Amino acid sequence: DQQVKQNSPSLSVQEGRISILNCDYTNSMFDYFLWYKKYPAEGPTFLISISSIKDKNEDGRFTVFLNKSAKHLSLHIVPSQPGDSAVYFCAAKVPGGKLIFGQGTELSVKP
Amino acid sequence: DTAVSQTPKYLVTQMGNDKSIKCEQNLGHDTMYWYKQDSKKFLKIMFSYNNKELIINETVPNRFSPKSPDKAHLNLHINSLELGDSAVYFCASSQRGGTGELFFGEGSRLTVL
Repeated sequence: DQQVKQNSPSLSVQEGRISILNCDYTNSMFDYFLWYKKYPAEGPTFLISISSIKDKNEDGRFTVFLNKSAKHLSLHIVPSQPGDSAVYFCAAKVPGGKLIFGQGTELSVKP
Repeated sequence: DTAVSQTPKYLVTQMGNDKSIKCEQNLGHDTMYWYKQDSKKFLKIMFSYNNKELIINETVPNRFSPKSPDKAHLNLHINSLELGDSAVYFCASSQRGGTGELFFGEGSRLTVL
C-alpha cells in the first residue's frame, strides 16, 4: 500500500532540455510535498517543496507543480545540466508527522 | 562540518550477530529519524524521536531498538541480524512542524551474509 508513487524508474534527457519528473499520491490529507535529490553513496538532499494549498513553486531552474484534483505533482528542471544526473525522490508529509517517500526516478542528463 | 553524520558507512556481518549504527546531528534539531532503503529503493520510515521521546514506531521487528541518549543523537541497535536486514539505513533530523524538511546523513550500508 504505497501512498506515494513514482512510476518511472528512469529518465534520460539531453543537456539543455527540460526534465519532467512525475509523482502520484493517494492521500488527500498530505499538507506538504517535497523533492529530494540523491547522488550515489550520499544521503538525499532537499531540493524544493510545495504546500498543498499552492499549485506552483519555483526556485531557479526547478519548478514544482501540484495538481490536487489529479493527486499528481511534477518537478520541472529547465535547462537540464549533466550535474543534475541523480535519483530524485518525491515525498509527501502527513500533517504533524512523517514524510512518505516514493521509490525514486533516476535522471540521466547527457551532454 | 557534517550536519548529520552516521557511522559506520559500511557494515558487513554474519546472520545472527548484533550490530549498532550511530547517528549525530549538529543542527540543533529536536527530531531525529531512521529510514531504511531496501532493494526496491523505497525509503521507509522506521522510527522518529522528538527530544529523546519515541513518537513514530512503524511496523518494525522488535529486533530493532533505537536509543536516543540526547536530542543530538539517535542510535540504532539490531539484534539477531537476518539476511532481509541488508539495506541502506539513513539517519535524518528536522525541526518539528513546518514543511517537514529532513536533513539526511550519508547512509550506512548493512550487508548480512
